[in-house]
Amino acid sequence: DVKVTQSSRYLVKRTGEKVFLECVQDMDHENMFWYRQDPGLGLRLIYFSYDVKMKEKGDIPEGYSVSREKKERFSLILESASTNQTSMYLCASRTGSKGGPQHFGDGTRLSIL
Amino acid sequence: EDQVTQSPEALRLQEGESSSLNCSYTVSGLRGLFWYRQDPGKGPEFLFTLYSAGEEKEKERLKATLTKKESFLHITAPKPEDSATYLCAVPMNYGGSQGNLIFGKGTKLSVKP
Repeated sequence: DVKVTQSSRYLVKRTGEKVFLECVQDMDHENMFWYRQDPGLGLRLIYFSYDVKMKEKGDIPEGYSVSREKKERFSLILESASTNQTSMYLCASRTGSKGGPQHFGDGTRLSIL
Repeated sequence: EDQVTQSPEALRLQEGESSSLNCSYTVSGLRGLFWYRQDPGKGPEFLFTLYSAGEEKEKERLKATLTKKESFLHITAPKPEDSATYLCAVPMNYGGSQGNLIFGKGTKLSVKP
């Protein structure tokens, strides 16, 4: 079974802080994704990566950056956290075949105070 | 524009009362349709992939079917533990994001004992 592990289930930070969310997958997947999920808005793609050191902007990249130094790890960075970034953050991975499903971690519930 | 629409937004059933959830899509050259289950506070869990019209997949009380314009998730004799939000998604078909998923907003299913 695919295992996608997010470093924290719950996180509370203050406005202006730099926040790191970590995600690790154990299936040697090429593709990794970061989403946020908000009530009524569904899943929105922030950034994705097709390979190590590669990154592409998704639909809502403003205020975020990412890092993919190793194939199994994909980090999401909130450069200067703001209250409107309070959300559920979900990481996913997928094999390089573009037709395959994505597999998700359990999410990080992030609160910015 | 590629789009995925799920209906109804919410569905309340009595235990044992069978029903269906709908996922309609507008995407040319469908390269798969995915169903997920999401429990509160957790990430989406992959259920099924359907690739061609007429295809069916089953898992316990769930059966997913696919036509050229929509997919149905049939729930037979549901139990309270089937309560969750069910998401469907299809791969995009344009630009550099080919293979990234478009998600519907989900159907929240509640099954009362």
